[in-house]
Amino acid sequence: EAGVAQSPRYKIIEKRQSVAFWCNPISGHATLYWYQQILGQGPKLLIQFQNNGVVDDSQLPKDRFSAERLKGVDSTLKIQPAKLEDSAVYLCASSLDTSLEQYFGPGTRLTVT
Amino acid sequence: DAKTTQPNSMESNEEEPVHLPCNHSTISGTDYIHWYRQLPSQGPEYVIHGLTSNVNNRMASLAIAEDRKSSTLILHRATLRDAAVYYCILRRSGGGADGLTFGKGTHLIIQP
Repeated sequence: EAGVAQSPRYKIIEKRQSVAFWCNPISGHATLYWYQQILGQGPKLLIQFQNNGVVDDSQLPKDRFSAERLKGVDSTLKIQPAKLEDSAVYLCASSLDTSLEQYFGPGTRLTVT
Repeated sequence: DAKTTQPNSMESNEEEPVHLPCNHSTISGTDYIHWYRQLPSQGPEYVIHGLTSNVNNRMASLAIAEDRKSSTLILHRATLRDAAVYYCILRRSGGGADGLTFGKGTHLIIQP
């Protein structure tokens, strides 16, 4: 069974530029999560989708971050404009449904200079 | 979300058992205890979870105290591939918003 796919794996941008990350969850998984992991810390939830609807975006910095899951499958996370403190690994995870184990992708390492 | 407390790091020898402790004194009756681990340069992976009774699976065992205020993840025979950061997480049952709240975890070092 294919795992969660993410691209790109690495991205370097200058501050004030925009960037987008893509996630393809495991087939059939209804729930999709985006996490941000700053070096030396545990991942922090940014947003949770159930199919194509947002369940929780309370920790998403909505002035610069946006995310969508239009057809209830793939998802994109965008940052515009990026700040230095956005340098982190962005992890996508999916689960068959809420309350079930989450499967994580390899992450996208973002460096903002 | 209720908070968990774990040691920053632990060290063990290869092929020996490892006991990773977690304190969660403010756990509520509907909180499940989940363990995830993160190998270097990878996303976290699910290890095990439980509510009240001890649990076993192919990866590990989870021992839960009778008052549920602490738990221990047991790796029966550690290998070098078990070197990772281990996270103990409380997760409320019932669906809805259920993103994982990660702490800093325990960095497990395995000596050959």
